[in-house]
Amino acid sequence: QKEVEQNSGPLSVPEGAIASLNCTYSDRVSQSFFWYRQYSGKSPELIMSIYSNGDKEDGRFTAQLNKASQYVSLLIRDSQPSDSATYLCAVRKPPATNKLIFGTGTLLAVQP
Amino acid sequence: DAGVTQSPTHLIKTRGQQVTLRCSPKSGHDTVSWYQQALGQGPQFIFQYYEEEERQRGNFPDRFSGHQFPNYSSELNVNALLLGDSALYLCASSDQGAGNTIYFGEGSWLTVV
Repeated sequence: QKEVEQNSGPLSVPEGAIASLNCTYSDRVSQSFFWYRQYSGKSPELIMSIYSNGDKEDGRFTAQLNKASQYVSLLIRDSQPSDSATYLCAVRKPPATNKLIFGTGTLLAVQP
Repeated sequence: DAGVTQSPTHLIKTRGQQVTLRCSPKSGHDTVSWYQQALGQGPQFIFQYYEEEERQRGNFPDRFSGHQFPNYSSELNVNALLLGDSALYLCASSDQGAGNTIYFGEGSWLTVV
């Protein structure tokens, strides 16, 4: 079992719809959770970080964390074609600082 | 404010050769980590440097080594290159503070032929 699991997709949504990306993790000691966006041929770019249970909103993005169920999700409202990218879920466990454990990513395709 | 910078951007090497990749962290950051991202995969942690010492290492062979300099910049060295070492190599930096944000550079694309 991989430590961080994501559906590889592609997840196809129409422009203006809500895209829902999900991620599960196996180690309960995981304490920090991140969503990175990666365009083809580019490096990962941090979209959201979340550390406690519940929702965290930033513009069109909402991250949701449920530690009891060991899942974290990312909602993208009013999806735009420019949101088409691979979304990587990453977790950090103590005592690591820069060691992130990534999933394989979900490819999102927003159809105009 | 320059972000994380890496060089070279692209390079091609032959099996058995050695390669050195370079990274300058974001201003104010003292911790550097290296990741390998193969095609279609998420980045895999190689190792982390802080105060010029390797602090943590992922599941990579000894062919992968690194160094951090007093100005916090870092190098990744890979010896005896294999075809499977072809990947995007990412440098990430942060400070050692709690809740630190990790920033990635643009990466170095290595092709081994």
